[in-house]
Amino acid sequence: SAVISQKPSRDICQRGTSLTIQCQVDSQVTMMFWYRQQPGQSLTLIATANQGSEATYESGFVIDKFPISRPNLTFSTLTVSNMSPEDSSIYLCSVYSGGAYEQYFGPGTRLTVT
Amino acid sequence: DQQVKQNSPSLSVQEGRISILNCDYTNSMFDYFLWYKKYPAEGPTFLISISSIKDKNEDGRFTVFLNKSAKHLSLHIVPSQPGDSAVYFCAGIYGGATNKLIFGTGTLLAVQP
Repeated sequence: SAVISQKPSRDICQRGTSLTIQCQVDSQVTMMFWYRQQPGQSLTLIATANQGSEATYESGFVIDKFPISRPNLTFSTLTVSNMSPEDSSIYLCSVYSGGAYEQYFGPGTRLTVT
Repeated sequence: DQQVKQNSPSLSVQEGRISILNCDYTNSMFDYFLWYKKYPAEGPTFLISISSIKDKNEDGRFTVFLNKSAKHLSLHIVPSQPGDSAVYFCAGIYGGATNKLIFGTGTLLAVQP
């Protein structure tokens, strides 16, 4: 399985600001994903980060709010824009690098918006 | 529309006994089901998966059973250990190009020494 790191591990941000979360993988991977886990909730897929093209967003998530970059096969960023307290969540990246569909997750970024 | 449901938010088991975590789903199009374990302040860790064409998969202390007619799967942990205490998520996945995981709400397992 791949080793995945995320930066920052946690942050407290002011309403109206933006935060960019980085996800780094130790090997090239086929697919990278961004998930959100709101307090007491399950994990919800935000988008699939596509290398060299625009991300594919799930229903309820838009590029203006969650712009994503994936410049190469080992790195991706997720920006949470114009934050509100409702954006307080854990944000996780995951990767799929082949096999029987299992994805491997980073440690997550705990975001609190005040 | 919650396609994957875990109706028990928590479960407490004695060390050495069997833990049974349950999961129900509504979508017959899932190709695979996966179980993840999550400790606080960490990302989910993949445990075990099962193809929709199988009814059982075993890996050490972990066994997953799939009952397609009932749209139900379960994870058995035998014997349970205190280190198994964590939140367990089941997830279904559509295959093909999307590889989209649909997670349940999780069950908090507490294994008492």
